[in-house]
Amino acid sequence: DVKVTQSSRYLVKRTGEKVFLECVQDMDHENMFWYRQDPGLGLRLIYFSYDVKMKEKGDIPEGYSVSREKKERFSLILESASTNQTSMYLCASRQQRQPQHFGDGTRLSIL
Amino acid sequence: QKEVEQNSGPLSVPEGAIASLNCTYSDRGSQSFFWYRQYSGKSPELIMSIYSNGDKEDGRFTAQLNKASQYVSLLIRDSQPSDSATYLCAVMNSGYSTLTFGKGTMLLVSP
Repeated sequence: DVKVTQSSRYLVKRTGEKVFLECVQDMDHENMFWYRQDPGLGLRLIYFSYDVKMKEKGDIPEGYSVSREKKERFSLILESASTNQTSMYLCASRQQRQPQHFGDGTRLSIL
Repeated sequence: QKEVEQNSGPLSVPEGAIASLNCTYSDRGSQSFFWYRQYSGKSPELIMSIYSNGDKEDGRFTAQLNKASQYVSLLIRDSQPSDSATYLCAVMNSGYSTLTFGKGTMLLVSP
């Protein structure tokens, strides 16, 4: 079974902090994704990566950056956290052209 | 802008009935289609994938695809209260890079 692990289930941070969300997959998948999910807005793609050190902007990249130094790990960075970044963050991975599988999610609150 | 449309629901069905969930999409070049189930507070879980026109059955679930009409559906036979969840339709964009998700249909199965 595919295993996508997100480092924290719940996280509380303060405005202005730099926040790191970590995601690790154990299936040697090429593609990894970061989404946020908000009520009424659905899943929105923030960034994705199709290879080590490669990244592509999704639909809502503003205020975020990513890092992929190793194939199995994809990090989402909130450069200066703001209250409107309070959300559920979901990481996913997949092999090319295959279904993607999600981690358990991180519920992030910015106070 | 590629779009995936679903009725938000809730769709209410009695236990043992057939639940029918529908999805339309705008990208005519799409070739891969997925249904995810998401319980409240949890991450999406893949339940069906379909790539060719017609029906695909897996246990109590049947996915139906009509590319000419740009329409995907999910039938759940013998619905159980444990099927109560939000069902997300996802379409792989032409180019096989990302998925576009619908906002989901909430299904409620009453005992």
